[in-house]
Amino acid sequence: DGGITQSPKYLFRKEGQNVTLSCEQNLNHDAMYWYRQDPGQGLRLIYYSQIVNDFQKGDIAEGYSVSREKKESFPLTVTSAQKNPTAFYLCASSINYRGNTEAFFGQGTRLTVV
Amino acid sequence: GENVEQHPSTLSVQEGDSAVIKCTYSDSASNYFPWYKQELGKRPQLIIDIRSNVGEKKDQRIAVTLNKTAKHFSLHITETQPEDSAVYFCAAGDSGGGADGLTFGKGTHLIIQP
Repeated sequence: DGGITQSPKYLFRKEGQNVTLSCEQNLNHDAMYWYRQDPGQGLRLIYYSQIVNDFQKGDIAEGYSVSREKKESFPLTVTSAQKNPTAFYLCASSINYRGNTEAFFGQGTRLTVV
Repeated sequence: GENVEQHPSTLSVQEGDSAVIKCTYSDSASNYFPWYKQELGKRPQLIIDIRSNVGEKKDQRIAVTLNKTAKHFSLHITETQPEDSAVYFCAAGDSGGGADGLTFGKGTHLIIQP
């Protein structure tokens, strides 16, 4: 069953902790993306990767880090430097990095700071 | 870079009536315009898309129109049903370079009143 999978679905973080959100796809897509979703804010781009071993900052990269060591995987780390991390995080992939193809989304991770 | 504006932010219609959501974009190079539906707590999913070489596309009760001169596109849902209640996102993309993929609007919360 092809698709894009995020885990965990819910994640709780204590103040000052780093946490890593997982994103895996078996669609053989080159491009992968991380978005943050807050009420009324739409989808804001955190980081994107055009191809394995490459990634670029999006519009709101501060306090986040990523890696792309494998084509299938694009984990996102929310660091303690992110001052307001509570949000719904969506990972997406597309067949290439050009903006003319469908983006497929994971089911999301809801991160809450406790 | 591309900027996508979406209106209204909330739309309430009576069941059976039509709903229209409008988006404008800024980059004249954009040539791919998808619409995504996101039900509460779930992932956004593509419902219809249009490319710049056509002005209108229809799929059962949903249709999308594109006016490239005015740089706006719209989603039309006819004979609305309770299951149409969701957040709808428009997006714009450019095959010529947009390495950061699609640019999304902020979303429209569509409420179908029984």
